Amino acid sequence: GAVVSQHPSRVICKSGTSVKIECRSLDFQATTMFWYRQFPKQSLMLMATSNEGSKATYEQGVEKDKFLINHASLTLSTLTVTSAHPEDSSFYICSAPRGAGGYEQYFGPGTRLTVT
Amino acid sequence: DAKTTQPPSMDCAEGRAANLPCNHSTISGNEYVYWYRQIHSQGPQYIIHGLKNNETNEMASLIITEDRKSSTLILPHATLRDTAVYYCIVRGEISNFGNEKLTFGTGTRLTIIP
Repeated sequence: GAVVSQHPSRVICKSGTSVKIECRSLDFQATTMFWYRQFPKQSLMLMATSNEGSKATYEQGVEKDKFLINHASLTLSTLTVTSAHPEDSSFYICSAPRGAGGYEQYFGPGTRLTVT
Repeated sequence: DAKTTQPPSMDCAEGRAANLPCNHSTISGNEYVYWYRQIHSQGPQYIIHGLKNNETNEMASLIITEDRKSSTLILPHATLRDTAVYYCIVRGEISNFGNEKLTFGTGTRLTIIP
């Protein structure tokens, strides 16, 4: 069964509004989670590393004030896309390492964001 | 992390073994080879990983050459549900309880043909 969930699976929002995406580890604790973005026919691009109890680490070129990340607990990280624009339309995926040494990373099912 | 090179696409007949190659000529001694796959519109799925020995699990086998500069993922009896993009990723030694990011390349789009 799924070990990482995301909510919502799909969301449509109007340009200029904000949308929040949740990522949950279902039966394990994750001090770190990762957020990726994937445009059609492209690979996954890491956006940021979410750290429980501290600030997220953003990849170069990703605006931290636009993509707000909050890792409020050991099982929940949220990504908020603020003032969304059509070019933010994408597939957003989170992941979390699990187990001793974190050899396996489990990915959520993804959230399809469409900004109109 | 070392860079990987994979063919952009491959076809395989249903029921046959699918062999997906990956070159990682700049891999260093403490870097692991990981394989993930992504079925359309889903999150990636972990398949297998290895350091230098060949590995096998319920999903696949991983064959790593002796010089570790390349590897092959083998799906022994491919089914239509194995149609996906397969990513070969090289990552460093697990530290800090595995809190390391994964860098995805373009992968190989495997199509299983009925």
